Amino acid sequence: GAGVSQTPSNKVTEKGKYVELRCDPISGHTALYWYRQSLGQGPEFLIYFQGTGAADDSGLPNDRFFAVRPEGSVSTLKIQRTERGDSAVYLCASSLIPGNYNEQFFGPGTRLTVL
Amino acid sequence: AQSVTQLDSQVPVFEEAPVELRCNYSSSVSVYLFWYVQYPNQGLQLLLKYLSGSTLVKGINGFEAEFNKSQTSFHLRKPSVHISDTAEYFCAVTANTGNQFYFGTGTSLTVIP
Repeated sequence: GAGVSQTPSNKVTEKGKYVELRCDPISGHTALYWYRQSLGQGPEFLIYFQGTGAADDSGLPNDRFFAVRPEGSVSTLKIQRTERGDSAVYLCASSLIPGNYNEQFFGPGTRLTVL
Repeated sequence: AQSVTQLDSQVPVFEEAPVELRCNYSSSVSVYLFWYVQYPNQGLQLLLKYLSGSTLVKGINGFEAEFNKSQTSFHLRKPSVHISDTAEYFCAVTANTGNQFYFGTGTSLTVIP
């Protein structure tokens, strides 16, 4: 079946602009994670959804970052007033059922470049 | 909070030789441990995980890892590597009651023909 997909694959924007990054998890997966991976670093946890609700958003770096998952499937990560330091690969992952012991299936990521 | 250290950023190894990729973690609570692999231009894929029980965990593609609580380590091993094992390998930890995952900075494994 289809894996986790993320769109766009690449996004170039200017400092101060607003961007939305989309994640389509594997069908039926209830848990969804967002990570940010900067160059030369491992993925950094941002937010975790169980169904429609954000069960843990403690990894969001500041209030410019926000994520939603209104129907419990597709999720959108929103970044306001982008800064050059936001440039990174944003990864989405899903797992069939909630629980940190479950395998996460990762998407290919969206590479965000803020000029 | 938890943290992960992968001391080796790059590991070159000849084909059919054994390899060990090191991972050390820090945590004040019980943890689950994972190894993920990222092939070029692909998403991360789970290799293996330790939740509880036997400290020796076997994963896909002939990899295995051993959980050592006293040394707070979870080193990844393979007795004989192939060219196709060339990839980036990430160790990750999560508290067994938590939601956040903490990844190491990754180890780039290059298998030399």
